[in-house]
Amino acid sequence: EVVLTQSPGTLSFSPGERATLSCRASQSVSSSNLAWYQQKPGQAPRLLMYGASSRATGIPDRFSGSGSGTDFTLTISRLEPEDSAVYYCQNYVRSPLYTFGQGTKLEIK
Amino acid sequence: QVQLVESGGGVVQPGRSLSLSCAASGFTFSNYGMHWVRQAPGKGLEWVAVIFYDGSRNYYRDSVKGRFTISRDNSQNTLYLQMNSLRAEDTAVYYCARDIASLYFDLWGRGTLVTVSP
Repeated sequence: EVVLTQSPGTLSFSPGERATLSCRASQSVSSSNLAWYQQKPGQAPRLLMYGASSRATGIPDRFSGSGSGTDFTLTISRLEPEDSAVYYCQNYVRSPLYTFGQGTKLEIK
Repeated sequence: QVQLVESGGGVVQPGRSLSLSCAASGFTFSNYGMHWVRQAPGKGLEWVAVIFYDGSRNYYRDSVKGRFTISRDNSQNTLYLQMNSLRAEDTAVYYCARDIASLYFDLWGRGTLVTVSP
């Protein structure tokens, strides 16, 4: 089973700064199978990035993704208060087919 | 508009059953695979099950195999999750989500809370 480990657990920034979130896989995975989601309190997750670096529909270009193999990164530039959320990486594998990282909480103060 | 709306959650005793529904609208439901994803209180996301666009195949995470059944009615644009032999560890918000390329989830419902408690 491929385990996704996200770090750090919590990040705090001021508006306008840049945040870098990490997702590390326990074994090499295809970047085509790697996605990122944003979940705000009390809301459903929202697809941000797919294929590691492609933005989903309606996602501003402040969000960017990169990585390959076992290390993937979500970068959020020019942080806004509305970016406060928990961010999850997700991968498709053979079994249990789909796995998520444990999440990184991003606070913008 | 394009949306998914879950229903059917509630409080149920361990060992009992519960059935969830997810009503789809605003898109051609029969063209998409569909998933159930759950989130225990204060925890992360956990994939539960997937069903192909035509209902021909389905897959489950190991912990729910033999207890949960995913199904769909394309004529009613509705996805289902039948949950039997419920356990305390099944307590979670259950989301239905639309599949993209058998890889990602591009549309999510707001979720329905299932609480398994004596």
